[in-house]
Amino acid sequence: DTEVTQTPKHLVMGMTNKKSLKCEQHMGHRAMYWYKQKAKKPPELMFVYSYEKLSINESVPSRFSPECPNSSLLNLHLHALQPEDSALYLCASSQGGAQGYTFGSGTRLTVV
Amino acid sequence: GEDVEQSLFLSVREGDSSVINCTYTDSSSTYLYWYKQEPGAGLQLLTYIFSNMDMKQDQRLTVLLNKKDKHLSLRIADTQTGDSAIYFCAEVHTGGFKTIFGAGTRLFVKA
Repeated sequence: DTEVTQTPKHLVMGMTNKKSLKCEQHMGHRAMYWYKQKAKKPPELMFVYSYEKLSINESVPSRFSPECPNSSLLNLHLHALQPEDSALYLCASSQGGAQGYTFGSGTRLTVV
Repeated sequence: GEDVEQSLFLSVREGDSSVINCTYTDSSSTYLYWYKQEPGAGLQLLTYIFSNMDMKQDQRLTVLLNKKDKHLSLRIADTQTGDSAIYFCAEVHTGGFKTIFGAGTRLFVKA
């Protein structure tokens, strides 16, 4: 299995809702990432987990809460989001070093 | 500082070669990457080069690195319509856990 799987593919949520994005990989990668991508922009790093521990938080607002239950799973819990949080949320994994990242196809989030 | 710059658009005819350019500012970068993103999809790693290399070839792709000028290029030979996408240049520092992406170059391939 050489894929990163993200669910759901599309999500519409209200500003008072609580939802979660899920990401799964079975490549044995030791690092997992959440990126946010707005239209016509590059991905922006949000969080990095290394060996299931949060190692980088790029000053992301607390309405985004990451969780890494085990080495294969990564969640992003969403609460009280704003319309400007609407974006494509990408999960990636890597073994570190030269191999680069394997990205999922993303969750297209719309906050209404 | 950390900054990766790319031109925003490139248009080529099918069958021609495409050259996408990138400049980076951090000389401590260890690895440099090219990713491809098709509409509605995630990013796909195309190729990478170590900072101590000058060139890498992988089928239709050729990466050239000029360390003195901090300039990276991606050449796509015999460009096809399926190559139409956004191409991101990216750099990673030692440790490999933080990737800095350029703004992306949108490649249009005309049939």
